[in-house]
Amino acid sequence: DGGITQSPKYLFRKEGQNVTLSCEQNLNHDAMYWYRQDPGQGLRLIYYSQIVNDFQKGDIAEGYSVSREKKESFPLTVTSAQKNPTAFYLCASSIGDRRPTDTQYFGPGTRLTVL
Amino acid sequence: AQTVTQSQPEMSVQEAETVTLSCTYDTSESDYYLFWYKQPPSRQMILVIRQEAYKQQNATENRFSVNFQKAAKSFSLKISDSQLGDAAMYFCAYKGYGGATNKLIFGTGTLLAVQP
Repeated sequence: DGGITQSPKYLFRKEGQNVTLSCEQNLNHDAMYWYRQDPGQGLRLIYYSQIVNDFQKGDIAEGYSVSREKKESFPLTVTSAQKNPTAFYLCASSIGDRRPTDTQYFGPGTRLTVL
Repeated sequence: AQTVTQSQPEMSVQEAETVTLSCTYDTSESDYYLFWYKQPPSRQMILVIRQEAYKQQNATENRFSVNFQKAAKSFSLKISDSQLGDAAMYFCAYKGYGGATNKLIFGTGTLLAVQP
């Protein structure tokens, strides 16, 4: 089955710790994205990557870091610098041709809670 | 900057009836795409339907259809013959063309309840 997987489903972190959220896709998509979802605010873009070894900041990148060493993988690290990291995190991917027809497909998400 | 507004935080519909969810957007671009995504309690975002701005014909996917009014910058979703499985949060989203990113701009969502 082709799709996007995210792990873990639930993640608990103590204040001051860095944590890494996994995102893997086997859709052969070039582009990958990380979104954050908070109640009443819709989804906001954290980072995106159009191609391997390249990534760009989104609207709320402060306190987050990413890497894109493989086409299939786009892990997100939530650092201790992120002031309010408790949220639901969604990973998405798309073909990446930058046309409006390029549709993003989402993974099942990771719920991060800071204790 | 583009914005997307969903003015109905919550809606309710009886099973088998029809409901319309509203979405308006603001943009100065002429070519763009609009999407409706569904997020059920599992929280997985599922694409429901999409509309190309240059197409006047409204998109339809089975029981889901849109009313796209480009001049009014309105993009409403109509769900016919509502089913219990339609209960979810629905997000309207905008994507422009030619920018450095394929960023989707989301509205704040409408929570749809389906009453049996």
